[in-house]
Amino acid sequence: DTGVSQDPRHKITKRGQNVTFRCDPISEHNRLYWYRQTLGQGPEFLTYFQNEAQLEKSRLLSDRFSAERPKGSFSTLEIQRTEQGDSAMYLCATQGNVALETQYFGPGTRLLVL
Amino acid sequence: AQTVTQSQPEMSVQEAETVTLSCTYDTSESDYYLFWYKQPPSRQMILVIRQEAYKQQNATENRFSVNFQKAAKSFSLKISDSQLGDAAMYFCAFCTGTYKYIFGTGTRLKVLA
Repeated sequence: DTGVSQDPRHKITKRGQNVTFRCDPISEHNRLYWYRQTLGQGPEFLTYFQNEAQLEKSRLLSDRFSAERPKGSFSTLEIQRTEQGDSAMYLCATQGNVALETQYFGPGTRLLVL
Repeated sequence: AQTVTQSQPEMSVQEAETVTLSCTYDTSESDYYLFWYKQPPSRQMILVIRQEAYKQQNATENRFSVNFQKAAKSFSLKISDSQLGDAAMYFCAFCTGTYKYIFGTGTRLKVLA
């Protein structure tokens, strides 16, 4: 266990519904990343936060996606009007102030859009 | 564009034997970090080993070692004395100053008893 938790672990939804995922980082980690992993691929960067500030968003993150990190603690990733192409594993990773380059990953949320 | 290539979708190794997973990358940056992460089935991705590009000495962590060839942009992982618990997807990744990772497509390692 890396100390990063994600909820839910699995989500099945119908096309057009909204879903929200949560990530709880290691408490002293101020950087938090979201990645998306599709079958047979490596994770792809979506967005990241330093404390509560969202510093970068990938072009993969369409207008239907929004992420927040209120108070620089947990983070949420919301997908509105889900599409079948959104089906993937959504991974959260966090970084501390020491050894900035090392990220610790959560178990992921597996999303299936029917 | 920065890319990571893992050319071996799947590898098999006999228990107690040695296996090498390959990874090449492309970047114009001079300072960066390289990683191997292990993702067991339905479990969290965990760091296996990391290498700072400015260090010439290859990193080693117990049975895991890397062969880092900066000029060739190659970063292979050697697993010695393979164990059944080593079976997993292995991802090569790198990051630069922004610390966001770029991953390869992964290599599935099977360990045969």
